[in-house]
Amino acid sequence: EDQVTQSPEALRLQEGESSSLNCSYTVSGLRGLFWYRQDPGKGPEFLFTLYSAGEEKEKERLKATLTKKESFLHITAPKPEDSATYLCAVNMIKAAGNKLTFGGGTRVLVKP
Amino acid sequence: GAVVSQHPSWVICKSGTSVKIECRSLDFQATTMFWYRQFPKQSLMLMATSNEGSKATYEQGVEKDKFLINHASLTLSTLTVTSAHPEDSSFYICSAREGGQSGTQYFGPGTRLLVL
Repeated sequence: EDQVTQSPEALRLQEGESSSLNCSYTVSGLRGLFWYRQDPGKGPEFLFTLYSAGEEKEKERLKATLTKKESFLHITAPKPEDSATYLCAVNMIKAAGNKLTFGGGTRVLVKP
Repeated sequence: GAVVSQHPSWVICKSGTSVKIECRSLDFQATTMFWYRQFPKQSLMLMATSNEGSKATYEQGVEKDKFLINHASLTLSTLTVTSAHPEDSSFYICSAREGGQSGTQYFGPGTRLLVL
């Protein structure tokens, strides 16, 4: 069964304390993996798209990496404004309509 | 970057009335848009895939007669919640895909619906 699992479910960090979020997937054919950030009461904000194993992308304090089985979102020296829920989503080759399959999300709280 | 808007952002209605939510891609054309529903502290649940000029594809368990979707142009999709009831109260979010089947979905800001 195709699955997308994010861990941990919640993460409490001190400002400046770097950490990584995990998104593991078991799909037969990956078309793309997407990371989004969602603030309470708002729609998800696009962060990164990764298409092939070994690919890496960076934006400010965030860096996303991809292997054949999982993706990591690294947060370096986080600030309180990085507090949000981070969502991972997969577009599978066999998915009808090319829809996304989402993980459950990781809620990140960065304390000053 | 690609921008998707939704209108309205908040709507309160009486039970039995219909509510229309608009989703627009502002700076790109989208042949495919998606409608999601999100419950508190849960991830997004796909309701339907909206294709320009054709009928929407609904996910299992979603009533197509209750949630009417129209995608009349490459920049606009609408979701109409017909005969709304309190259990339809939720956060509805649309997305528009830029590019082909591997393209990125960009999300709107969401619409909070409260049915009294």
